[in-house]
Amino acid sequence: SYVLTQPPSVSVAPGQTARVSCGGDKIGYQSVHWYQQKPGQAPVLVVYDDTDRPAGIPERFSGSNSGNTATLIISRVEAGDEADYYCLVWGGSTDPYVFGPGTKVTVL
Amino acid sequence: EVVLVESGGGFVQPGASLRLSCAASGFAFEESAMHWVRQAPGKGLEWVSQIGWNGASSGYADSVKGRFSISRDNAKRSLYLEMNSLRPEDTAFYYCTKDSSGVPASGTFFDYWGQGVLVTVSS
Repeated sequence: SYVLTQPPSVSVAPGQTARVSCGGDKIGYQSVHWYQQKPGQAPVLVVYDDTDRPAGIPERFSGSNSGNTATLIISRVEAGDEADYYCLVWGGSTDPYVFGPGTKVTVL
Repeated sequence: EVVLVESGGGFVQPGASLRLSCAASGFAFEESAMHWVRQAPGKGLEWVSQIGWNGASSGYADSVKGRFSISRDNAKRSLYLEMNSLRPEDTAFYYCTKDSSGVPASGTFFDYWGQGVLVTVSS
């Protein structure tokens, strides 16, 4: 099955840029989607198809994907961005949807 | 506004059965594939099952294959998950999610989520 890796945690000061990586074999050939989950809440889609934002998601959220690493980029980080972030890719017909283990973003 | 509301969770003993339901509104339910995704307390997300727009196709994670069954009733705008032979490791929040397409495939994703329902399996 397809395996994704994410750093357990990322810390960032307010106003700075947070980068959350999602590693996988040739992930650059996949579409990668990102979810934000705050404590006690359901996940929310923040980036889909590597770089696109759903309606209502601030422009501060963006993404990139190349080679073996996809990255969620949160610019001008705010306290309200503190959450767990998960990447999602298609793992193939036998294991279709694969989530990364998640990254906790802490705003200092 | 897309709204997904799960129900049917609870506390059961190992080996028991439970049926989860999800009521959908605010979108063309009959045109959308649907999924169940679960999250054990304090853990990450795990895809559980999928069903195509007309119910003709479905799929399951290996961890639940043969024990769980997904279904839908487009007339009632409802999604279901029949869970049998429950195990302690099935303890989790179960989320009903909408697929970005009518057929789960490479590139599709979960664009809306319900608030989740807790299933606890313990003796």
